[in-house]
Amino acid sequence: NAGVTQTPKFRVLKTGQSMTLLCAQDMNHEYMYWYRQDPGMGLRLIHYSVGEGTTAKGEVPDGYNVSRLKKQNFLLGLESAAPSQTSVYFCASSLTSGGTGELFFGEGSRLTVL
Amino acid sequence: GENVEQHPSTLSVQEGDSAVIKCTYSDSASNYFPWYKQELGKRPQLIIDIRSNVGEKKDQRIAVTLNKTAKHFSLHITETQPEDSAVYFCAASTDDYKLSFGAGTTVTVRA
Repeated sequence: NAGVTQTPKFRVLKTGQSMTLLCAQDMNHEYMYWYRQDPGMGLRLIHYSVGEGTTAKGEVPDGYNVSRLKKQNFLLGLESAAPSQTSVYFCASSLTSGGTGELFFGEGSRLTVL
Repeated sequence: GENVEQHPSTLSVQEGDSAVIKCTYSDSASNYFPWYKQELGKRPQLIIDIRSNVGEKKDQRIAVTLNKTAKHFSLHITETQPEDSAVYFCAASTDDYKLSFGAGTTVTVRA
């Protein structure tokens, strides 16, 4: 039982490049989330999904897109990376909705945009 | 939306002493208040949570208190140990899907 796994763990991009972060969970959770963590700002919700085929915007969705084609996977895409998107990205999943129960986080993906 | 403020941003305590972190929230409809601990280079993990129908909850050396009238909640760690050194995040939720996190408190336990 691996829990929540994210790939890649590290990535360096040039401004304007695109990339996709993959999150996979093996706990059969309905709810999945993408957060970004920046110094002094805590964890901010980018997008979330309440089930396969659904996505919704969080606090800071601009510049990101997501897809949840399979229940176990939640993809975060950057179409045209900007230096402001340099951050550590955490995926999370939960059995019950995230506003009422425990979030299980992945190990994080550190993205640097030059 | 919900706004969660967390204080202090850094906290240094002597081993064996207590540590207290305080958070305030803006939306009186918030009803779930978890605390997450993040060790250096690791993922955040839930350590304790409290719901709005409870005023206090304890789990060994960790306790959380909630004051709904004042809209604040606190984390108390007693008899601190080196392994308590980490970043602690409070959070609050007003709806079923989203948590709003505080900015975090870096706790350092001095031997």
